[in-house]
Amino acid sequence: KAGVTQTPRYLIKTRGQQVTLSCSPISGHRSVSWYQQTPGQGLQFLFEYFSETQRNKGNFPGRFSGRQFSNSRSEMNVSTLELGDSALYLCASSFGSGARFFGPGTRLTVL
Amino acid sequence: KNEVEQSPQNLTAQEGEFITINCSYSVGISALHWLQQHPGGGIVSLFMLSSGKKKHGRLIATINIQEKHSSLHITASHPRDSAVYICAVGWTGGTSYGKLTFGQGTILTVHP
Repeated sequence: KAGVTQTPRYLIKTRGQQVTLSCSPISGHRSVSWYQQTPGQGLQFLFEYFSETQRNKGNFPGRFSGRQFSNSRSEMNVSTLELGDSALYLCASSFGSGARFFGPGTRLTVL
Repeated sequence: KNEVEQSPQNLTAQEGEFITINCSYSVGISALHWLQQHPGGGIVSLFMLSSGKKKHGRLIATINIQEKHSSLHITASHPRDSAVYICAVGWTGGTSYGKLTFGQGTILTVHP
């Protein structure tokens, strides 16, 4: 079975721009969750989707949004980028609320 | 105070040593996850526990729900075990459904 894939792997943007990251879960997994990892804050939960519905959202501003499609693929969007948004963004898929399988991440740099 | 506390933050061992990493949490949970992250970012899920003990190869994870504490043990450590080990707690009900809260991680270095 193919693992979780994320595109792009690396991204450089400037302040004020917006960005869309993509995540394709393991086949059969209907739950996709997103996380931000920074050296200062560590790993933080962004949001979780199941069957196209956002079930939960972490403590992030409204500039962070996401969606899930009928094939379980998910995207997250960050609008009006700030320097502090530079981070590794990870998605994970799971079968229901079971063990998470993580993708390789997208490293976003905001200049 | 963080909801999830790990100790130690840094751990150095010699190959072959028995290693223990601890995780304490402050609220009731549905499950606890142990994750491994190697340099470069990739995260691997090692265990998901809601009670008792699990073993996979040289890795053993235990959880005490009453004491809100979990431990990850590595027997006969090897340099390839060098990584960051992260504890995360999750919920399968209520307003926190699907959410994971992470510890700050334990950096393990195993010398040959």
